[in-house]
Formats: sequence, structure tokens, C-alpha cells
Amino acid sequence: DAGVIQSPRHEVTEMGQEVTLRCKPISGHDYLFWYRQTMMRGLELLIYFNNNVPIDDSGMPEDRFSAKMPNASFSTLKIQPSEPRDSAVYFCASSSETGLSEKLFFGSGTQLSVL
Amino acid sequence: GQSLEQPSEVTAVEGAIVQINCTYQTSGFYGLSWYQQHDGGAPTFLSYNALDGLEETGRFSSFLSRSDSYGYLLLQELQMKDSASYFCAVRDPGGTALIFGKGTTLSVSS
Repeated sequence: DAGVIQSPRHEVTEMGQEVTLRCKPISGHDYLFWYRQTMMRGLELLIYFNNNVPIDDSGMPEDRFSAKMPNASFSTLKIQPSEPRDSAVYFCASSSETGLSEKLFFGSGTQLSVL
Repeated sequence: GQSLEQPSEVTAVEGAIVQINCTYQTSGFYGLSWYQQHDGGAPTFLSYNALDGLEETGRFSSFLSRSDSYGYLLLQELQMKDSASYFCAVRDPGGTALIFGKGTTLSVSS
């Protein structure tokens, strides 16, 4: 299995631009999570999906952030417009129903820099 | 809400034993997980304790005391490659997503 695949690996953009991060979960996993990691706040849960349906988006910081999961093999996290304080590493993770929350499989992350 | 406390940094030498503590406050408890993250890498699962006691996996062990809302990760025979950040985590109130502590940075020197 290829694991959780995220793209791009690095993204540098200017303030005000739209940013789209992409994630392909492990095939067969029912849950997909988006996390953001910064030195100040650590690993923060942004949103998660179960069977492509958003379950909890209470961690999404503002309306500028949105996430979708149009099918079982693809999810996007969009920031529009981006701001310098959005600079962070964004991780996508997936897990199966059986191993619910006991074992998350993380992608390699997207390092986002907003100038 | 969920909150976890763990030391920010720990240092040790090769071959030593180190213990990383984690205390938590949760509304609903489903177990304590530990993850390792090397610099520039992704968090990877290490262990999970749902019941009180010690779980051993090679050089790493994890302990849980639910009555004390406390757990620890024990790393033995430390190697340079163990230099990384270690996170404890509990499930959110919905019992699904993981909420992580701020992490403990372990530095192993020769």
C-alpha cells in the first residue's frame, strides 16, 4: 500500500492567494482527518470525515478554511484568502473503522508558507 | 474538553532509559496513544493503552493508570535514531478523532 498521499509537499504563496491542499487516504479507510502543526499550537485537529461526510469541523479556524471529500479516495483543504498566520505543516491522516482512532496513518504533510 | 500535559524536552545519552510522562483531562476516555515524529517527518503510531498496565513493544513500553489519568512512554537502550518528538493523544469527546499533546522533544547524545 502506498500510504496516505499528500500534495504538494511544499507550497509557497503570497497573502491573499487561494491555496488548495490535496490528500489521498489509504484505500479502504473510512475516516479521514486534517491536522495543522505549528510550533506554538502543536498538532491541531481541523476537520474529519467518515465515509466522505464531514463529521466535525469545529477545529476549522475561520470561514477562510474549507474542506471537501467528493469521494472515498480524495479530499481537499482550501484556504481562501490565505494569510501569513496560516503558515504551518498540514497533515492528512486516515484510519479504518476497525482501528478507530487507535492508529492513524499520516501523510508526509504539506509545508505551507504564506508570504 | 480534552487536555494533555507532557514535558517539552528530555535529554539522554545512548544506552540509557528515558520516561516521558503524560497527564490528561478528558470528558470520556477511550485510551492513550503514543506517536513518534522525526524532524521533518510525519507522526507514526507507537503504542496504545486502553487498560491499566504496561504494554511492551521491543525497546518501547507504554503504561497507563486510568485512576490517575496518567501514562508514560518508556524508551530503553536509547539509540541516536530515537531522537524525535513524542506525542501522547486521547480521543475527542465524540470518541473518534485524536487530540494530541504538545509533544516532548527527545535528544539522544553519544
